[in-house]
Amino acid sequence: GIQVEQSPPDLILQEGANSTLRCNFSDSVNNLQWFHQNPWGQLINLFYIPSGTKQNGRLSATTVATERYSLLYISSSQTTDSGVYFCAAGDYKLSFGAGTTVTVRA
Amino acid sequence: KAGVTQTPRYLIKTRGQQVTLSCSPISGHRSVSWYQQTPGQGLQFLFEYFSETQRNKGNFPGRFSGRQFSNSRSEMNVSTLELGDSALYLCASRGETEQYFGPGTRLTVT
Repeated sequence: GIQVEQSPPDLILQEGANSTLRCNFSDSVNNLQWFHQNPWGQLINLFYIPSGTKQNGRLSATTVATERYSLLYISSSQTTDSGVYFCAAGDYKLSFGAGTTVTVRA
Repeated sequence: KAGVTQTPRYLIKTRGQQVTLSCSPISGHRSVSWYQQTPGQGLQFLFEYFSETQRNKGNFPGRFSGRQFSNSRSEMNVSTLELGDSALYLCASRGETEQYFGPGTRLTVT
């Protein structure tokens, strides 16, 4: 199956800082998604981005499919951005990375 | 549109028992997938159903099974529970492209 690696595993930010999360995947994919897992465990969809760039408020993502990586940018971070961010690749079967735990301090 | 729903949200079972979890996908979605999340193994794919047929299966023992009904609702069953089955079980429904996840069922096996 597809291997997905995320870095860094942990990120501590001061409120207002910017950050970049990286996701590398081992094979070409038709589906690449970014999720934020809330404290209750639900995965919240952030981006469906098999290629190109998308923006949603303070979050944006870029996938370079030919080089098999995706980046998630968080700008002007807020304490509510804290949590675990997952990248997942695949089609009907998603392979998940281990996640990046983001802690934003006030 | 209503999101993906899962019941029950929390469950405590004893080793050796069996358990059935339920998932209702987003209206119009025909693909339903199940995932297991544990601290040690992370998020792992269990199986995927489409139009009442299992189309993809992950690397889990036969104690884990599932089915899908004609209204696309899905159930998964775990028989002869083991302590290691304690996990968050997530269901996802898929439309044309991306998958949407339910709130999960947190299963504790004692």
